[in-house]
Amino acid sequence: DVKVTQSSRYLVKRTGEKVFLECVQDMDHENMFWYRQDPGLGLRLIYFSYDVKMKEKGDIPEGYSVSREKKERFSLILESASTNQTSMYLCASSFPAGTGNEKLFFGSGTQLSVL
Amino acid sequence: GNSVTQMEGPVTLSEEAFLTINCTYTATGYPSLFWYVQYPGEGLQLLLKATKADDKGSNKGFEATYRKETTSFHLEKGSVQVSDSAVYFCALSARGNAGKSTFGDGTTLTVKP
Repeated sequence: DVKVTQSSRYLVKRTGEKVFLECVQDMDHENMFWYRQDPGLGLRLIYFSYDVKMKEKGDIPEGYSVSREKKERFSLILESASTNQTSMYLCASSFPAGTGNEKLFFGSGTQLSVL
Repeated sequence: GNSVTQMEGPVTLSEEAFLTINCTYTATGYPSLFWYVQYPGEGLQLLLKATKADDKGSNKGFEATYRKETTSFHLEKGSVQVSDSAVYFCALSARGNAGKSTFGDGTTLTVKP
């Protein structure tokens, strides 16, 4: 069974802490994505990566960075967590665009609370 | 830029009622269109998709037809069940956009017995 696994289901951090959210996929997908989901705002793209060590900003990259050292792993980093980063974070992966198979596979999400 | 507008919720229906959730989009070129579903406590999963005009995607009794002339991809089901209670997201993936998807805000469906 194909899987996208996020390391934590729930996370509570303090303002100013450095936070790492980890995501691993076992489908050999080139593309990986980080979204945040907030009530009434749908899903907003933070960053995505289309290859190892490659990354591009999404719609709301401010306050975040990412790392992709291996194809199967994509990490989201909050350099200095703030209360407005309290949210549900969703990782996803897919095959490249133009393959006719661009559907996203999602992890179960990490609910992050910053106090 | 690309955008997806879907019907505001929440939507509450009785079991066996007919469901329509409207979705319209704005995109350059000819995007692929998707409906994703999120059950309580889970991530999103693909419900159905269509990759070109007049294609009909279908799965689990749900259907949606890619209408280029009205830039729409409305989700329908003839008879909903309590187990269909979830949040539904319409999304598009535009060619030449590196595989990034644009999502609507989601519509929460509650089906009462």
